[in-house]
Amino acid sequence: AQSVTQLGSHVSVSEGALVLLRCNYSSSVPPYLFWYVQYPNQGLQLLLKYTSAATLVKGINGFEAEFKKSETSFHLTKPSAHMSDAAEYFCAVRIYNTDKLIFGTGTRLQVFP
Amino acid sequence: GAVVSQHPSWVICKSGTSVKIECRSLDFQATTMFWYRQFPKQSLMLMATSNEGSKATYEQGVEKDKFLINHASLTLSTLTVTSAHPEDSSFYICSARTISSYNEQFFGPGTRLTVL
Repeated sequence: AQSVTQLGSHVSVSEGALVLLRCNYSSSVPPYLFWYVQYPNQGLQLLLKYTSAATLVKGINGFEAEFKKSETSFHLTKPSAHMSDAAEYFCAVRIYNTDKLIFGTGTRLQVFP
Repeated sequence: GAVVSQHPSWVICKSGTSVKIECRSLDFQATTMFWYRQFPKQSLMLMATSNEGSKATYEQGVEKDKFLINHASLTLSTLTVTSAHPEDSSFYICSARTISSYNEQFFGPGTRLTVL
């Protein structure tokens, strides 16, 4: 079965600091992986996705993620945090041969001035 | 492009009543729509997948008679919570994909249901 695990339910950074949100996956087949952001009381917005092309994926709002097969990881990073980045971030994997997504438990990012 | 709307954005109802939530794709045809449920401070759990013109496929543990899903057109899917109870209170989010966007779902803003 495929799954994703997000380490750290809460991450706090100062404005301007590096953002690192961790996601590890479990999959016996090449996974399709996604990062979504959710602002309070809103739906999800796609930040970026990995679909077996380039291992370093650039997304919106300055975020990027690197697919590392050896580490079964797909961590999300941003060089310099902005106050507007404060939100809930979800990692997700697409179930093989379907269009269904399984989401991680989410990481709440707080950005302090 | 690829905008999905939900209506209402929030609803409060009495226990025992039924509530209908609409999910619309505004600028594309959604061959498949998904319904998720999100409890406070938790992740999204897929409830069901609906394809236009056919019966919805429910995930294990989701009562199909409790959560009625209709996908009557390529731009509209509805979720009806029948005989709602306080434990049905949750944030319900829909998403949609086109026939060509197999790897991307476009999410609606969600509907917060509170059952008193």
